[in-house]
Amino acid sequence: ETGVTQTPRHLVMGMTNKKSLKCEQHLGHNAMYWYKQSAKKPLELMFVYNFKEQTENNSVPSRFSPECPNSSHLFLHLHTLQPEDSALYLCASSQDWGLTQETQYFGPGTRLLVL
Amino acid sequence: KQEVTQIPAALSVPEGENLVLNCSFTDSAIYNLQWFRQDPGKGLTSLLLIQSSQREQTSGRLNASLDKSSGRSTLYIAASQPGDSATYLCAVIPSTSGSRLTFGEGTQLTVNP
Repeated sequence: ETGVTQTPRHLVMGMTNKKSLKCEQHLGHNAMYWYKQSAKKPLELMFVYNFKEQTENNSVPSRFSPECPNSSHLFLHLHTLQPEDSALYLCASSQDWGLTQETQYFGPGTRLLVL
Repeated sequence: KQEVTQIPAALSVPEGENLVLNCSFTDSAIYNLQWFRQDPGKGLTSLLLIQSSQREQTSGRLNASLDKSSGRSTLYIAASQPGDSATYLCAVIPSTSGSRLTFGEGTQLTVNP
């Protein structure tokens, strides 16, 4: 497989459930990102990891917990979510967080619905 | 705080038309500006990246320009095709933010056969 993959593609969960989103990149990149895309809103950066270290947390509620075990994998652990957390969650990767001349490569996203 | 605005929010054109999508940003201190394409329910695909020192980039039927001093960029699509139908997103990397992308809300383009 190539590029950035995300699983699952669709997820429905109750507010008391615990679930995890998975992202994997096959591009040899060192930086990985989680974004949230809600209807009628711009993409919002949630977290950034560079060389497995978290470099950005954009004031994300603690019910979202990221994990980056290595440079190729990124997880987003979800617990006690709210209906307003329903959105498309996109993962991205790039060569390095500090390389501003490089673009980011996005996965297809996980469509999350919280009931 | 950097803000990115895209006009129009939606655009519907007949096949074959040349069209322009607009993007404006409030702070001219940027490293680069990028245009992305997003198909429904899918991730983003990078189309063009313009460094702050450049004025335009071209790829096939796409041409993007950047006027950093006025905080504007345009994406020109020549001879539009139904396959161009998608949402087009503009994003900037502010000079103070590492590689943090700040996105606009996008322009939803429909090209009718």
